[in-house]
Amino acid sequence: TQLLEQSPQFLSIQEGENLTVYCNSSSVFSSLQWYRQEPGEGPVLLVTVVTGGEVKKLKRLTFQFGDARKDSSLHITAAQPGDTGLYLCAGDKAAGNKLTFGGGTRVLVKP
Amino acid sequence: DAGVTQSPTHLIKTRGQQVTLRCSPKSGHDTVSWYQQALGQGPQFIFQYYEEEERQRGNFPDRFSGHQFPNYSSELNVNALLLGDSALYLCASSLLVRGESTDTQYFGPGTRLTVL
Repeated sequence: TQLLEQSPQFLSIQEGENLTVYCNSSSVFSSLQWYRQEPGEGPVLLVTVVTGGEVKKLKRLTFQFGDARKDSSLHITAAQPGDTGLYLCAGDKAAGNKLTFGGGTRVLVKP
Repeated sequence: DAGVTQSPTHLIKTRGQQVTLRCSPKSGHDTVSWYQQALGQGPQFIFQYYEEEERQRGNFPDRFSGHQFPNYSSELNVNALLLGDSALYLCASSLLVRGESTDTQYFGPGTRLTVL
């Protein structure tokens, strides 16, 4: 049983469209990270959110941490083929603690 | 500034064999965590090493063991390999100060282990 549930598992969209990936849990996390992983490579950190209700923007990517620090979302505006990859959310229950990952959302942006 | 490095990149073993994977942390980091990522899934935490000791452990059998050296590099050992051990093994490094992380975890490229 995944402690962190990501949805959808797979998303295929056309270039220029918007997309949202969700990460939900019944547990509270002290922080939550979003990673993107390319085939054959390790996850690369996109953002860390630590405060309930926090919103962070990274160019066309917007990350939100739920008020109760149990859920998060990643929104991509005007997706580009370079956004294609596996998006992973990971929660940390205490600073320096192990990361608990969601199952990942595979995003395919077609030109 | 070197990032996290892992070796080897790929490895093929047969059932029952033993394997050792290696990781060098990012410069300035003192903590190494190991994760197993099966195909199509998110990474699962195996264990974390700090000050040459296992600090935390996930739900993995004793066949999985590790070591951290004085230079902070680490090894992951898996004995009596099973087909189900086939996965991408990821190493992540971070910095702990008085037990708390002062930096996020940075991941290496992983070692792809195939067990036949």
